[in-house]
Amino acid sequence: SAVISQKPSRDICQRGTSLTIQCQVDSQVTMMFWYRQQPGQSLTLIATANQGSEATYESGFVIDKFPISRPNLTFSTLTVSNMSPEDSSIYLCSVEAGATYEQYFGPGTRLTVT
Amino acid sequence: QKEVEQDPGPLSVPEGAIVSLNCTYSNSAFQYFMWYRQYSRKGPELLMYTYSSGNKEDGRFTAQVDKSSKYISLFIRDSQPSDSATYLCAMKKGSYIPTFGRGTSLIVHP
Repeated sequence: SAVISQKPSRDICQRGTSLTIQCQVDSQVTMMFWYRQQPGQSLTLIATANQGSEATYESGFVIDKFPISRPNLTFSTLTVSNMSPEDSSIYLCSVEAGATYEQYFGPGTRLTVT
Repeated sequence: QKEVEQDPGPLSVPEGAIVSLNCTYSNSAFQYFMWYRQYSRKGPELLMYTYSSGNKEDGRFTAQVDKSSKYISLFIRDSQPSDSATYLCAMKKGSYIPTFGRGTSLIVHP
């Protein structure tokens, strides 16, 4: 398994500002993922981040809005830029680990944009 | 039709009941099937991970996969108030990224 921590755990931000969320894993992993989870909804994949390469974004998500860094095999950041109230959500970091590539999640960052 | 369908509930049961949580799917290529438990204000926690059809048991939890019907279930025996959470099913083909259900909210009342 993998133990994942995220910072901050929650934040309230003003419209138009940016927030950077940090994700730290206790072991080296190849693939890290960023998800968004809105109330009552399924997990929505934002992007996949591999160390040493550009992140791959899912349909509906763009790098200018959600820039991602992956400087090493245990760390990644997601920035939510130029925020609007529609960005209010829980943002989850996830990694693939284990012999059968199970997916593990961090505790999430609860973002409220006012 | 969504690839994975899961009734959001809520499902309310008395303590000690047997709980059955279910998901249906449309993609016959799915090979790996997972159940996650998510407590309020926490991230999803991997509960069960199975490959192909059959049953897998872990303590009070049993995961069941019926690929012919494209139907998976999670059974919880002797349910406890501490089992109250949202349960998400997920499934994937090979090394592809999983597809998640919406989650079912379970409430176990004393």
